Amino acid sequence: NAGVTQTPKFRVLKTGQSMTLLCAQDMNHEYMYWYRQDPGMGLRLIHYSVGEGTTAKGEVPDGYNVSRLKKQNFLLGLESAAPSQTSVYFCASSYGQGETQYFGPGTRLLVL
Amino acid sequence: SQQGEEDPQALSIQEGENATMNCSYKTSINNLQWYRQNSGRGLVHLILIRSNEREKHSGRLRVTLDTSKKSSSLLITASRAADTASYFCATDASNTGKLIFGQGTTLQVKP
Repeated sequence: NAGVTQTPKFRVLKTGQSMTLLCAQDMNHEYMYWYRQDPGMGLRLIHYSVGEGTTAKGEVPDGYNVSRLKKQNFLLGLESAAPSQTSVYFCASSYGQGETQYFGPGTRLLVL
Repeated sequence: SQQGEEDPQALSIQEGENATMNCSYKTSINNLQWYRQNSGRGLVHLILIRSNEREKHSGRLRVTLDTSKKSSSLLITASRAADTASYFCATDASNTGKLIFGQGTTLQVKP
């Protein structure tokens, strides 16, 4: 089992460019999450999904969109990147509500 | 605002010593979880304690939960250099279905 994987590992964008981060899990988990981690801020929830075809806003959703077309995949999109979106992005999944979350290795994004 | 707040923010100890980290939270919870993050890596789940439990052990880890004080502690006994990492508490606040993470405690264990 690969667990939770994320692509890409690292990306540099110019302000205004768009990109999609891909998260995949092979544990048949219903719940999936996108977080961002900034120095001194801990992890902040961007969006999450409670099942295929569903998405919901987290704590810091502005500037991001997500889609969960397949149960195993959760995509995070940045339509027009801003320097404030420079961060490390983590995807996670869990079997159920409030249960243990399994994290991917992270994507480092630098927006110039 | 953050649900979980860890204390201290940073801790430096010698190998073999015990390390204690504390977490306080604000609202009622279903469970509280502790995670470890090695530098440049994703978070790894350590232990989950439910609101009706007071203490839980896993190897060299001991977690306590005091719901009356809205606080939890993580004790790592006989620390090793490999325990050097950041440790986060996360709370599953009742009826939200989401985990809220604290800002973490950075632990350095010197060989």
